[in-house]
Amino acid sequence: EDKVVQSPLSLVVHEGDTVTLNCSYEVTNFRSLLWYKQEKKAPTFLFMLTSSGIEKKSGRLSSILDKKELFSILNITATQTGDSAVYLCAAARDSGGSNYKLTFGKGTLLTVNP
Amino acid sequence: KAGVTQTPRYLIKTRGQQVTLSCSPISGHRSVSWYQQTPGQGLQFLFEYFSETQRNKGNFPGRFSGRQFSNSRSEMNVSTLELGDSALYLCASSLRGAYGYTFGSGTRLTVV
Repeated sequence: EDKVVQSPLSLVVHEGDTVTLNCSYEVTNFRSLLWYKQEKKAPTFLFMLTSSGIEKKSGRLSSILDKKELFSILNITATQTGDSAVYLCAAARDSGGSNYKLTFGKGTLLTVNP
Repeated sequence: KAGVTQTPRYLIKTRGQQVTLSCSPISGHRSVSWYQQTPGQGLQFLFEYFSETQRNKGNFPGRFSGRQFSNSRSEMNVSTLELGDSALYLCASSLRGAYGYTFGSGTRLTVV
């Protein structure tokens, strides 16, 4: 059974801190790793990682995938209160014929205090 | 473009009843997936429909079912509701499979 584990489950930091969120996975026919941010209800897409060792960046957020050790990290530098959210990691399994199934981790609840 | 629309936003039902939730995907998206989100279990995959066919299914009992119509709109049905079915039910649509997923705002179901 496919499995995705995120750590820590929750984290409290002060504005300006840098945080690293972890995601490990065990997925048959792994295709890619995705990160989402969930503030209230609808998760919003952050990154999709397919290749090992290539960092993806968007502003203060960056992420990298290690396909040998089966994990990914999401870094947020100079955190702001608006970064407070649940960060979800998901691993996509390739079931063939453009059929990809996602398995989500339980998420990391990040709280950024002013 | 309009996003993924889920209705209703909130629902309260009693044990034993059944419920139907609706999801209208982004125009042109043919894949619709459903997830159950609870504080303890996180986001758990229910099923995915693509061009009116169920393509993937998660590990939920047969009380959970769904369907997709020719216009790609999807419905999810839960029969004989249990207290443990209380959750946020999220729907996501994409052109094909998991990539380019866009989530709806969800339906918050409370079973009393």
